Amino acid sequence: GDSVTQMEGPVTLSEEACLTINCTYTATGYPSLFWYVQYPGEGLQLLLKATKADDKGSNKGFEATYRKETTSFHLEKGSVQVSDSAVYFCALGAQKLVFGQGTRLTINP
Amino acid sequence: DSGVTQTPKHLITATGQRVTLRCSPRSGDLSVYWYQQSLDQGLQFLIQYYNGEERAKGNILERFSAQQFPDLHSELNLSSLELGDSALYFCASSGPGGGLFFGSGTQLSVL
Repeated sequence: GDSVTQMEGPVTLSEEACLTINCTYTATGYPSLFWYVQYPGEGLQLLLKATKADDKGSNKGFEATYRKETTSFHLEKGSVQVSDSAVYFCALGAQKLVFGQGTRLTINP
Repeated sequence: DSGVTQTPKHLITATGQRVTLRCSPRSGDLSVYWYQQSLDQGLQFLIQYYNGEERAKGNILERFSAQQFPDLHSELNLSSLELGDSALYFCASSGPGGGLFFGSGTQLSVL
């Protein structure tokens, strides 16, 4: 079945550092790919998405590119802020989504 | 605000009991999804309804059931509760653009 593997956390960075959270997937067909973010005590919020190969999703300074050849959808940000501290989930699917295990990110001032 | 409403936010109950979680999807969304989030299992898909009909089933226990009503709100019923059922239960709805929009969840604690 379809599956998503994210880099193990937790990840701790200093403010203004560069961020990459790795995500790889296995899937039949060509699913859409998503990144969701979960802040403490809240539900998951859609951060960005890509619906086909080579698409780049972007939002709030975060980017991810749908790479079919490497079956990856890594999340990147050039300069993180304390407010980016949250748990990030990679997911794939058309309607029902399959989620990775989540990566906890902490940004220190 | 995602537009998806879940009630209650917190629920504390005892083993063996039955509870009902409620979800109202975003206006215009016909699909409702239920997910369970726990520390050891992560986010697990339970069940999907589309316009009142069950569309897909995931790792949902037989003690759990759900339904979607004509006004499109959905309820997840959990019975014969066990300690291991303690988790965060999320409802989500989806529209034509793809992706899911999640409610803020119901935190269930079984004591």
